[in-house]
Amino acid sequence: GAGVSQTPSNKVTEKGKYVELRCDPISGHTALYWYRQSLGQGPEFLIYFQGTGAADDSGLPNDRFFAVRPEGSVSTLKIQRTERGDSAMYLCASSPSLADYNEQFFGPGTRLTVL
Amino acid sequence: KNQVEQSPQSLIILEGKNCTLQCNYTVSPFSNLRWYKQDTGRGPVSLTIMTFSENTKSNGRYTATLDADTKQSSLHITASQLSDSASYICVVSRANTGNQFYFGTGTSLTVIP
Repeated sequence: GAGVSQTPSNKVTEKGKYVELRCDPISGHTALYWYRQSLGQGPEFLIYFQGTGAADDSGLPNDRFFAVRPEGSVSTLKIQRTERGDSAMYLCASSPSLADYNEQFFGPGTRLTVL
Repeated sequence: KNQVEQSPQSLIILEGKNCTLQCNYTVSPFSNLRWYKQDTGRGPVSLTIMTFSENTKSNGRYTATLDADTKQSSLHITASQLSDSASYICVVSRANTGNQFYFGTGTSLTVIP
C-alpha cells in the first residue's frame, strides 16, 4: 500500500522567499506530524494535527512557520520570508491516531535549501 | 527537560562484527521507546518498540534492551552487514501528549568490508 509521500523531494529557494511543503499521509490516518531535521541531528518536533486541527504547534520556531490540514488529510507546511537557517530536511509522519503506542510512519522528507 | 542522548556519535565496524549502541533519556512521563534506522536522505524506519514493562525486544539481527529504572536502552546488532550502514535513532514518547516523539541525535554506523 501507499506510504507517506512528500513533495517536492528537494526545494532550493532564495532568502526571503515563501515556500510550501506538502505531505500526503497514509489513507485513514487521523494524526499527522511535522518534524525538522538539521544535518547530523535527530528530527525535532514542529507541529501535529488530529484531524483538521493543530493539536500542538509548540515546536514551530517562530511565526514565519505555519501548517494547515484543511480536510484532515493532506497537510502543507508554509514558511514565509525564508532564512538560511531554515535549511533542513522536513519530515512528515502519519499515525492511525494520537494514542501513545501507535507507530508513526515517516515520509521520505523534503530537503529545503535556502541560499 | 525532556532529552534523549545517544552514544557513540559515530561508529565504524567490520562486516560480520557485532556492535552495541546506547541511549539515555530523561523524558517523563515515559510511554515507550523505539529504535529507528534512517538511511541517508530517507525518512526513519521503525526497528523496535518497547513499553515500560518490556526489557528486551528482537527484530532479526537487532535486539533492543530497556532499563526503565535507569532510563537506559541499548540496540545490539549482530553479524553486521554492509546494508546496516545508516543512522540509528533512539526515540522516546511521552505519555498522554498525543504520541509526541523525542528524538536522539543518532549514532552513525558505517560497516566496512
